[in-house]
Amino acid sequence: AQKVTQAQTEISVVEKEDVTLDCVYETRDTTYYLFWYKQPPSGELVFLIRRNSFDEQNEISGRYSWNFQKSTSSFNFTITASQVVDSAVYFCALSVTNSGGYQKVTFGTGTKLQVIP
Amino acid sequence: DTEVTQTPKHLVMGMTNKKSLKCEQHMGHRAMYWYKQKAKKPPELMFVYSYEKLSINESVPSRFSPECPNSSLLNLHLHALQPEDSALYLCASSQDRDTNQPQHFGDGTRLSIL
Repeated sequence: AQKVTQAQTEISVVEKEDVTLDCVYETRDTTYYLFWYKQPPSGELVFLIRRNSFDEQNEISGRYSWNFQKSTSSFNFTITASQVVDSAVYFCALSVTNSGGYQKVTFGTGTKLQVIP
Repeated sequence: DTEVTQTPKHLVMGMTNKKSLKCEQHMGHRAMYWYKQKAKKPPELMFVYSYEKLSINESVPSRFSPECPNSSLLNLHLHALQPEDSALYLCASSQDRDTNQPQHFGDGTRLSIL
């Protein structure tokens, strides 16, 4: 069975501070994909990044960066110089292929980020 | 604007009503999904359609009935719902059923059952 743990339920930071959202996953599959999604109050889940289990390179996209470490089963997300528009709930997700050949996505419980002006 | 469009955005209905939620995507995606999300919880998968055929039903009660009229549309028919069915219902699509394809979500329908 797959499991995704986001231990931080809520985080508040002051604008321009850096913040790291933690994600720890569990799976016995050797091939899997990890995702981060952002859910603003409007409801839509916005896809941020996808990483496969064979690619441990860290990635940077503007103010966002991701640190994937298989040794610790972690896929952490850092926002540099946070802005009010970053306020949202962030979900980490793990995707594997089930016995029927279909994508099975397991979401973490989410971290609510509040950026205070 | 999202690439997955859901209507209506809000719906209030009584337990004896029949209503439908609609989802549309024009990205050429062949897999479509319905999720249910309660407040402060992650999305929970309900149904998966692949190439317009129902692939996965996560033991969802029969008062929820999905339909995929064509490759761009996905409906969720509601009948005799219970108050605990009040939630945000999210539709998503992906290029196909493979694990390396991110799912694209709509804004959701906020459903309230009186």
